[in-house]
Amino acid sequence: DGGITQSPKYLFRKEGQNVTLSCEQNLNHDAMYWYRQDPGQGLRLIYYSQIVNDFQKGDIAEGYSVSREKKESFPLTVTSAQKNPTAFYLCASIRPEVAEAFFGQGTRLTVV
Amino acid sequence: KNQVEQSPQSLIILEGKNCTLQCNYTVSPFSNLRWYKQDTGRGPVSLTIMTFSENTKSNGRYTATLDADTKQSSLHITASQLSDSASYICVVSTTDSWGKFQFGAGTQVVVTP
Repeated sequence: DGGITQSPKYLFRKEGQNVTLSCEQNLNHDAMYWYRQDPGQGLRLIYYSQIVNDFQKGDIAEGYSVSREKKESFPLTVTSAQKNPTAFYLCASIRPEVAEAFFGQGTRLTVV
Repeated sequence: KNQVEQSPQSLIILEGKNCTLQCNYTVSPFSNLRWYKQDTGRGPVSLTIMTFSENTKSNGRYTATLDADTKQSSLHITASQLSDSASYICVVSTTDSWGKFQFGAGTQVVVTP
């Protein structure tokens, strides 16, 4: 059963804490992406990785960090430097030949 | 400035009725346009893809149209069902930036019995 798995589904963070969101895929896609979704706005790109051990900043990378040590995994860390982290976070892998993004089920992060 | 604008922002329709969602884009150079359906609290799922040369494409009760000259697309839902209640997102990709997509803010559709 191929797809993208994000965990946890819900995450609560205290101010000043770093938290890590997990994203795993078994679609054998090279490219993986992290997006942030806020109400009334389109998805915004945080980071993306086109290949293992390489990643690029997206449009809103400040306060976030990523790693890509394995093809299957692309975890996102929300650091204490991110001033407004409460949002819905979506991970995707890309099938470039048809320009299709396959999304995980998302992680809702709330600062308490 | 968002390069993909969707309208309306939200709409409510009665079960069994039809509706049409609009997407205008300024993304250039254009590669393709996809419509995604996003159920509440879930990730988006692709419905249709349109390339430059395609005018119409259907997926069951969903029909997408594309006018590449005016840079407009629409998504028509026929005989709506309660399960059609979701956000519908227009996504445009460009040949300029590999794998980078421009997302619309989505249209929230609520189908009522």
